[in-house]
Amino acid sequence: AQSVTQLGSHVSVSEGALVLLRCNYSSSVPPYLFWYVQYPNQGLQLLLKYTSAATLVKGINGFEAEFKKSETSFHLTKPSAHMSDAAEYFCAVSSRSNYQLIWGAGTKLIIKP
Amino acid sequence: DSGVTQTPKHLITATGQRVTLRCSPRSGDLSVYWYQQSLDQGLQFLIQYYNGEERAKGNILERFSAQQFPDLHSELNLSSLELGDSALYFCASSTSGGSTDTQYFGPGTRLTVL
Repeated sequence: AQSVTQLGSHVSVSEGALVLLRCNYSSSVPPYLFWYVQYPNQGLQLLLKYTSAATLVKGINGFEAEFKKSETSFHLTKPSAHMSDAAEYFCAVSSRSNYQLIWGAGTKLIIKP
Repeated sequence: DSGVTQTPKHLITATGQRVTLRCSPRSGDLSVYWYQQSLDQGLQFLIQYYNGEERAKGNILERFSAQQFPDLHSELNLSSLELGDSALYFCASSTSGGSTDTQYFGPGTRLTVL
């Protein structure tokens, strides 16, 4: 079975500071990993995904994530936070044998001016 | 704009009633997914269709049913509604429904059960 754990339901950072949102997964088969973002009153939008090519994945809006098999992690980072990054971020996992995305509980990112 | 449309945007109804939510996928996408998002349960996968056939089932209640039609639009039917069914219901679509597909989400239907 696969699962995803997002550490911290809320993360608060100052504008211009590093953003780090944590995602750990559990999977008995090679995983595919995704980060989606949900802005207030909107649907989810893909930020980036890892599908077994390069372990460092670059996404939209300056975000990137690194797949670390030894740590079973896929943390999302951005060097400098902007006010417009305030949203909820979801990590998800699937695999070759499982079409269904398994979702984390989400992390709300709060940006302090 | 993801290209996925959902109607209606808002729905207010009473307990015991039945409602139908509609979703039109992006042009060319063959797979449709339904999700429920609520404050207490988070984002829950309900069901996936691919080209008219059910492909995967998640935490969908027996009171809920869905289908995908030949023109690829999909409907989610919710019956015998309870207060706890109040939530945001999202539809998403993807090209082939595979494990590495990007899912494109619609704006959602907010269901309020009174």
